[in-house]
Amino acid sequence: KAGVTQTPRYLIKTRGQQVTLSCSPISGHRSVSWYQQTPGQGLQFLFEYFSETQRNKGNFPGRFSGRQFSNSRSEMNVSTLELGDSALYLCASSRGQGNSPLHFGNGTRLTVT
Amino acid sequence: GEDVEQSLFLSVREGDSSVINCTYTDSSSTYLYWYKQEPGAGLQLLTYIFSNMDMKQDQRLTVLLNKKDKHLSLRIADTQTGDSAIYFCAERNSGNTPLVFGKGTRLSVIA
Repeated sequence: KAGVTQTPRYLIKTRGQQVTLSCSPISGHRSVSWYQQTPGQGLQFLFEYFSETQRNKGNFPGRFSGRQFSNSRSEMNVSTLELGDSALYLCASSRGQGNSPLHFGNGTRLTVT
Repeated sequence: GEDVEQSLFLSVREGDSSVINCTYTDSSSTYLYWYKQEPGAGLQLLTYIFSNMDMKQDQRLTVLLNKKDKHLSLRIADTQTGDSAIYFCAERNSGNTPLVFGKGTRLSVIA
């Protein structure tokens, strides 16, 4: 069974630009969660989508947005990039019900210059 | 809000046991997890335990849960150099709530 796939693996952007990251979940998983990982703040929850609806949202500004498609694939978008947005962005999928553990992809490393 | 605390570093000799500790504040935590992260990779699920359990064993891994003290530990028996990584403790209230992670414990295994 294929794992969670995130693309691209690396991105370099300039301040003020926008970026879109993609995540393909494990087959059969209907929930996709996004986390930001930085050395200072650790792993911080961005949002979770379940069956194309945002089910949970973390404490991030509105520049961070996401969506989920009918095939459960998800994208997250960051607009007006800031230097502080440089981080590893991790996507995780699960069945989304009961205790279904999260399975993570390898992440997208975003560098903002 | 919920908080999960872990010590930042642990160093052990190859062949010894490693014990990584975690404390959490949310008394309604229902599910507790251990993840492993190797350099350049995402998080790998190692094991998890429900709050109605005290212990879970899975090959070299043993998880102990003390609900009264809100304390979770991960014991790795016969630690190998390949176990060197960052280990994250995480908790959540239900299957529909986000995981809350600790800052991670960096385990170094000395040959």
